[in-house]
Amino acid sequence: GAGVSQSPSNKVTEKGKDVELRCDPISGHTALYWYRQSLGQGLEFLIYFQGNSAPDKSGLPSDRFSAERTGGSVSTLTIQRTQQEDSAVYLCASSARQGNSLDQPQHFGDGTRLSIL
Amino acid sequence: AQKVTQAQTEISVVEKEDVTLDCVYETRDTTYYLFWYKQPPSGELVFLIRRNSFDEQNEISGRYSWNFQKSTSSFNFTITASQVVDSAVYFCALSEHTGTASKLTFGTGTRLQVTL
Repeated sequence: GAGVSQSPSNKVTEKGKDVELRCDPISGHTALYWYRQSLGQGLEFLIYFQGNSAPDKSGLPSDRFSAERTGGSVSTLTIQRTQQEDSAVYLCASSARQGNSLDQPQHFGDGTRLSIL
Repeated sequence: AQKVTQAQTEISVVEKEDVTLDCVYETRDTTYYLFWYKQPPSGELVFLIRRNSFDEQNEISGRYSWNFQKSTSSFNFTITASQVVDSAVYFCALSEHTGTASKLTFGTGTRLQVTL
């Protein structure tokens, strides 16, 4: 498709389980971002990829969170040993080339709604 | 640290009324970008506008207009003749540069409810 694609759209899992969230960015977009949207916290930045490298991981809330990106395209966000406070909508965004052309608009996917029981 | 404040948590208007959503930001950067996004009930964030810090011209796109005033660090968004389809949460955001990264700092959003 033409937009950012995220899967699954909804995920319900038990506390303590690991989850993987997937993001397929817009073709040709080199920058990829993960954000989290939860009640009371608004939209929070988690991690940024430029190509396959992650220059900024400052938003990851704990070492249970990790992300990778392969082939400069698809990214997965992994949460290990999930906790109830991890319940949120996880949003992925992509944008065109960074570098000298900073601040191209970020285009968002529909998100993955994660519920931890 | 950068900060975006959207003081209006929720606004309700009747269709055809004009409505202005406020956004105030704080940054130490001399070059920065401001954005507005719309999040309808379906959940996806839709990009509306990007404005750089050197361009203070107001912009109009159909029923939407934006007023950027650097002197007051504000980037307000006005919807003219509102429609029910405008009902959504609107987020103002500021780009933050950390070396090689450019991430968005979002305000807490303003929920706009347009009724008949």
